[in-house]
Parts: sequence; C-alpha cells; structure tokens
Amino acid sequence: TQLLEQSPQFLSIQEGENLTVYCNSSSVFSSLQWYRQEPGEGPVLLVTVVTGGEVKKLKRLTFQFGDARKDSSLHITAAQPGDTGLYLCAGGRDSWGKLQFGAGTQVVVTP
Amino acid sequence: EPEVTQTPSHQVTQMGQEVILRCVPISNHLYFYWYRQILGQKVEFLVSFYNNEISEKSEIFDDQFSVERPDGSNFTLKIRSTKLEDSAMYFCASRIALAGGAISYNEQFFGPGTRLTVL
Repeated sequence: TQLLEQSPQFLSIQEGENLTVYCNSSSVFSSLQWYRQEPGEGPVLLVTVVTGGEVKKLKRLTFQFGDARKDSSLHITAAQPGDTGLYLCAGGRDSWGKLQFGAGTQVVVTP
Repeated sequence: EPEVTQTPSHQVTQMGQEVILRCVPISNHLYFYWYRQILGQKVEFLVSFYNNEISEKSEIFDDQFSVERPDGSNFTLKIRSTKLEDSAMYFCASRIALAGGAISYNEQFFGPGTRLTVL
C-alpha cells in the first residue's frame, strides 16, 4: 500500500497570511491530485501534477510535485476566509486505477 | 459544467437490509469508481469498473458488495446485508478514457456523496 502522509493535520491562520501544506510518500506516483472537501460534500478536484518538478498555479494556489514524484506541496498566498476547507492529496500509481488519499489538512482562515 | 450526481443524498437503513446507491457519472466518462469515507477517516477506495466489469477491488469490497451499470447512464453500488460498520459517506467518481495513445492523468471527478446510516 502506498501511503500518503499530509502535514500539518490542522492549520489556523489569519487572513492575508501565507500557508503551505505538504503531502509525502515513500512511493513514486504517476500522478498526484489535490482536492478540496467541504463538510458533508464530495472532494472537488483542484489540480493534477504529473511531471517531477512540475509547478502549477491556480490563482493564489501554487502546487508543486517533487522531482522524484514522491511528494507534493500546496502553497496559498494571502489566504482568504474562502480558502477554509479540508485539502486532500491523492495519488495514483497508473493512469486508470484507484487513488490513494491522504488524511487531509484542515485549513481555517479567520478574518 | 458536467458533474457526477448521486442519489439519495442520505439513506437510513436497518442492519441486515439491502441498499442500492445510485450514481450518474459524467456522460463521456468510461472509468467509474466507488469510494467511501467513514466519519473522521480517510477516503478509501472500494472498486473500479471499466468496460462492464470490475477492474480492481479493495479488501473492503467483499461478497456483500456488488456494482452494476444497468444502462448507459447509471452506475450502482449494492450492499446486500448492511452492517453497522457500513455507515459512511459513499462517493462515486468517474474519469474520461482517452483513445489513440493520448495521455490521461487519472483525474477523477467525485459526486456529492450518499450518507449511509445503518441502525
């Protein structure tokens, strides 16, 4: 089983601050997805990274895939209360199979 | 924007009863999945389905579980005899299949989930 460890588990910051969430594994993934999940709802896909060293930006969110494709990070610049949510990373070992999910990082941004 | 839909949003059942959870994947998607999330725990893979057959299943997906694509739009998960520990959010997901050697990055799109409560 390829385990994905996310850190920190919980992050509380003030509006305007920056934050980084990490997703680490000892295994190589063919792709890694970041999702955001609200309470009682399904995960919503934010981004997919596939190439080692790849960086993708989505407005104030920056996603990076490690060179060895074993880890990833999500950086939020100037966080806003609307960024509050559970951020999940999920990795696949191939292009069609199951996704292995991390436990998630709960981010709370207070005004 | 196309999305995965699931019904019902909440299902309450007695232990030992059968339940069927329904999903309508995105219309041009060909790979389908069921995951579940017990309250406070990780999202866990149950089963994947392609070309009208199961392509992979987890240890959780025992003989009490089955999946079916009864028509061109629905994808169902049946639990024959529910147990208390089956209480969870069940998510359906789908992804596109690209032909001709095109690269597909396993981007799975999730439905809103069905909350199953077994009493």
